[in-house]
Amino acid sequence: DGGITQSPKYLFRKEGQNVTLSCEQNLNHDAMYWYRQDPGQGLRLIYYSQIVNDFQKGDIAEGYSVSREKKESFPLTVTSAQKNPTAFYLCASEGLHGYTFGSGTRLTVV
Amino acid sequence: RKEVEQDPGPFNVPEGATVAFNCTYSNSASQSFFWYRQDCRKEPKLLMSVYSSGNEDGRFTAQLNRASQYISLLIRDSKLSDSATYLCVVNRHGQNFVFGPGTRLSVLP
Repeated sequence: DGGITQSPKYLFRKEGQNVTLSCEQNLNHDAMYWYRQDPGQGLRLIYYSQIVNDFQKGDIAEGYSVSREKKESFPLTVTSAQKNPTAFYLCASEGLHGYTFGSGTRLTVV
Repeated sequence: RKEVEQDPGPFNVPEGATVAFNCTYSNSASQSFFWYRQDCRKEPKLLMSVYSSGNEDGRFTAQLNRASQYISLLIRDSKLSDSATYLCVVNRHGQNFVFGPGTRLSVLP
């Protein structure tokens, strides 16, 4: 079955640490997206990529970085520069009928 | 003003009730419209696309009013399992989707 997989499901980060969230899709979609969701809030766009080896900043890119070396993969790194990283992170890819989301990674700073 | 706005709710309705959500968008160049459903602590999932002529899927009816720039979702005969947050989504051709903040629905027994 085609789908989009995020890992890990839960992640704990210490202050000053960089962490990388994985996002893999086998839907053959060109466009992929990273969103952040805070409790009771809507989705905010961090980064997106319309094609391999190209990506663009979204509305809240500061403190994050991405790469798109393969069509299937769009990892997100949360750097130590991101001062409030505790949130629910959602990866999505875009097909003909809208977005398909991964099941999300819940990141907590300890 | 936010690009997509929704009444956050919560809407608390009894089982069997009919409930309607509205969503307004500010960008007149928006071309595609969707409703997504998000359960607590889960990812959003596509509920239905919204077409200019309006469309229905079982108990769910979506309508688009381009002149007034709003989208609606009507749920008839509400079930307990309909309890979720409903996200309004719009996009312009070639641009990324913009999500509304969501409307929370609780269907009560």
